[in-house]
Amino acid sequence: QKEVEQNSGPLSVPEGAIASLNCTYSDRGSQSFFWYRQYSGKSPELIMSIYSNGDKEDGRFTAQLNKASQYVSLLIRDSQPSDSATYLCAVNMVSPSGGSYIPTFGRGTSLIVHP
Amino acid sequence: GAVVSQHPSWVICKSGTSVKIECRSLDFQATTMFWYRQFPKQSLMLMATSNEGSKATYEQGVEKDKFLINHASLTLSTLTVTSAHPEDSSFYICSARASGGPSTDTQYFGPGTRLTVL
Repeated sequence: QKEVEQNSGPLSVPEGAIASLNCTYSDRGSQSFFWYRQYSGKSPELIMSIYSNGDKEDGRFTAQLNKASQYVSLLIRDSQPSDSATYLCAVNMVSPSGGSYIPTFGRGTSLIVHP
Repeated sequence: GAVVSQHPSWVICKSGTSVKIECRSLDFQATTMFWYRQFPKQSLMLMATSNEGSKATYEQGVEKDKFLINHASLTLSTLTVTSAHPEDSSFYICSARASGGPSTDTQYFGPGTRLTVL
């Protein structure tokens, strides 16, 4: 069973703090990793993609990937109340037939940023 | 860029009727589209993967005859919920993955369709 694991939370941080969201995955051959944000009642929106080991920064967001440990994380600096949402980790994994890559989502981590 | 639309955004129907949901990639060609269902406070559940010009691949436990998927072009996929029942009430979300270019494996989500079956 190919899986993506996330702590469901909620993760509560004060405004201005750094929020750290973590994700582990089971398929060692995975090459593409994504973080999505989903507000309640809305569909997911892409925050970042990462493909290589190391850090990737985009504004207040930094994605970190460690393929050896099968671990991907998302850091949100200077957290704002508007960042309160569920954050989904997604990993493209080879389909059972081997013919394509299927996105596999974690259950999401609920983040609450309190003023 | 990478905009995906869904229509309708919400629909209310009577039990036993069929409902069609459209998913369109507006500014890119999508060889693959995905259909998800999400119940309140639960995670996304992948229902099926739709490739242009071929039959959809359904996830285990998803009834093919109840959830009909058609991906007739590189910009349009449809999901038809046949003979809908109250337990089919959910938030249905499509996503599309681009063909060609460096971001070919990134999927972009539509805004979702909220289905309520009375």
